[in-house]
Amino acid sequence: KQEVTQIPAALSVPEGENLVLNCSFTDSAIYNLQWFRQDPGKGLTSLLLIQSSQREQTSGRLNASLDKSSGRSTLYIAASQPGDSATYLCAVGNTDKLIFGTGTRLQVFP
Amino acid sequence: DADVTQTPRNRITKTGKRIMLECSQTKGHDRMYWYRQDPGLGLRLIYYSFDVKDINKGEISDGYSVSRQAQAKFSLSLESAIPNQTALYFCATGDSRKGANVLTFGAGSRLTVL
Repeated sequence: KQEVTQIPAALSVPEGENLVLNCSFTDSAIYNLQWFRQDPGKGLTSLLLIQSSQREQTSGRLNASLDKSSGRSTLYIAASQPGDSATYLCAVGNTDKLIFGTGTRLQVFP
Repeated sequence: DADVTQTPRNRITKTGKRIMLECSQTKGHDRMYWYRQDPGLGLRLIYYSFDVKDINKGEISDGYSVSRQAQAKFSLSLESAIPNQTALYFCATGDSRKGANVLTFGAGSRLTVL
């Protein structure tokens, strides 16, 4: 059974810091991996999707990497801003569905 | 209007009551999903449907049932609600033509069972 773990569970940083969120999974036979952002009272927004054949994806200040063999992914956020405050969820997928991690709650203070 | 609409957004009910959460979408997607989110446990899949005639159990389907009334509508029912079904419920849709796991989520329905 696929299990997805995210560390740390919560993180509080000052504005401007570069930070890394971690995701690990137990079964390397994945189809793709996604990072989502969740804001209170809103749904989930997909930030980056990495196919199993890819090593990384970038969007603006965000960079996600994937190492299938070690069962790990990282989300790198450069020059963090207060608007980045949210919960970040990692999800691994087979061809049918997603398995979510427990999330990292990020607070960026001015 | 939102692409994926969940109703109600908030509901408080009592143990033993029947509850229905509804999800409708305007994206024309064929796939629809119901997840629940509990603090510290992430999102867990309850049921999913790849078309109107296709219903599949997820990892935590016990105590729940679903109905795919049309391509655009997917309802989740709790026949006899119990307090440990208190959670935030999300509906999501996906387009199989755009690849696996490219999902659009609704804003969530918060259910409290007393």
